[in-house]
Amino acid sequence: ENVLTQSPAIMSASLGEKVTMSCRASSSVNYMYWYQQKSDASPKLWIYYTSNLAPGVPARFSGSGSGNSFSLTISTMEGEDAATYYCQQFTSSPYTFGGGTKLEIK
Amino acid sequence: EVQLVESGGGLVQPKGSLKLSCEASGFTFNNYAMNWVRQAPGKGLEWVTRIRSKSNNYATYYADSVKDRFTISRDDSQSMLYLQMNNLKIEDTAMYYCVRRGSMVVGYAMDYWGQGTAVTVSS
Repeated sequence: ENVLTQSPAIMSASLGEKVTMSCRASSSVNYMYWYQQKSDASPKLWIYYTSNLAPGVPARFSGSGSGNSFSLTISTMEGEDAATYYCQQFTSSPYTFGGGTKLEIK
Repeated sequence: EVQLVESGGGLVQPKGSLKLSCEASGFTFNNYAMNWVRQAPGKGLEWVTRIRSKSNNYATYYADSVKDRFTISRDDSQSMLYLQMNNLKIEDTAMYYCVRRGSMVVGYAMDYWGQGTAVTVSS
C-alpha cells in the first residue's frame, strides 16, 4: 500500500505566522487531498486535486506538490486554523491517509 | 443540505457482531460511492471499506484489516448504507464515519462526513 508520511506530527505557530506542513508518499500519486479535523468533530474536505480549496476554505490556505511530495501552507496563521490536518491519496487502493499534523497556536 | 447520520454503535464483546447504519439525505444517494472510515481513540483516520454505485455493479473494497470480517452494503431505495461487523477485535474500537465519495468536480474526494458512531470492543 502507498504509505503517506506527514511531518511534523505536531507543530505550533503564532498568529500571523506562515505555516507549512508536508505529506510524502511512498509511491508517486496523481493528486493529494487534505482534510481538516478539529477536536471532537468530523473531518472536513479542505483541499482537493492537490491545490483546489474546498468551498468555504479561506484563501490563506494553499496546496502544492507533485509525485511523492506535497505540502499544505497557511499564509498567515489564524486562531481558527488550529486543528489536525490529514492528507489522503486516491491513486491506488487502499486509499491511505497520512498520520496527521496537529497544528497548535503558540 | 447533504446529511449523513450514523447509528448502531455501542459496546460489544470480542468475537461479537454489530451492524452500523447510515441514513443519507440531501443528495441522490444512488449516484455516489460510499465509504466507512474509522478513527481509533486519539489516533488518525483509517479507510475501512467502500461500495460503488449500481452503475458500477455495487463493487466493494476492503482494508486488509477488516477483510472477511466486515461487509458493506447499501439500500438505494432507502438511501441507507450499512456495515456488518463480525468477529470483532479490540483493535476495531473506533469512531466509525459514513463518508460520501464526491464527484469528479472535487476529484472524487471524500466530501461529506457523518458525525460518527462509536464502537467499543471490550470484555
